Amino acid sequence: GAGVSQSPSNKVTEKGKDVELRCDPISGHTALYWYRQSLGQGLEFLIYFQGNSAPDKSGLPSDRFSAERTGGSVSTLTIQRTQQEDSAVYLCASSLETDNEAFFGQGTRLTVV
Amino acid sequence: QKEVEQNSGPLSVPEGAIASLNCTYSDRGSQSFFWYRQYSGKSPELIMSIYSNGDKEDGRFTAQLNKASQYVSLLIRDSQPSDSATYLCAAFSGGYNKLIFGAGTRLAVHP
Repeated sequence: GAGVSQSPSNKVTEKGKDVELRCDPISGHTALYWYRQSLGQGLEFLIYFQGNSAPDKSGLPSDRFSAERTGGSVSTLTIQRTQQEDSAVYLCASSLETDNEAFFGQGTRLTVV
Repeated sequence: QKEVEQNSGPLSVPEGAIASLNCTYSDRGSQSFFWYRQYSGKSPELIMSIYSNGDKEDGRFTAQLNKASQYVSLLIRDSQPSDSATYLCAAFSGGYNKLIFGAGTRLAVHP
């Protein structure tokens, strides 16, 4: 596709349920980031994939959060046993190389009720 | 100390004026710097990238980089109400090996 695509756009889930958020990066982009943005706040780094290197998971807030990137392309962020404090917009970005310009998807707004 | 720091604002400027947005970074090894614009309820949109010391101009936008002072700025000339948004500064940190964002500066351009 022309840009970074995220799905779903919106997700409402009950507390305690698991959710999966998907990111389709721009074709050929080797770097992929996940960020979280709570209402009125800045971007919180979650995880970074670069090519075949081990991902940088240093931003994941708890072991309920995990992410994978299959075949160097599509990435899935999984949140297990969701809590109300997980409610936020989850943003994915990709870039051609490590320190190139990164482009964002439209985000997934997650609401935990 | 935060890796990338910005004044949260709001920065209020009259229409037609120059808006000056500033950013400092802590990792001296950072080589790539970016400015993003984020409208309320939208995702960040890349507006400028800069890699070398000096100025880089694109239309009404000028990015300035001073690596010795670890300082990046964005000037918006002839500011328009449509420029009202939050502006995010980002640096690719060689030390942390990832793209790090500042908290953003809210710009309000009033007619």
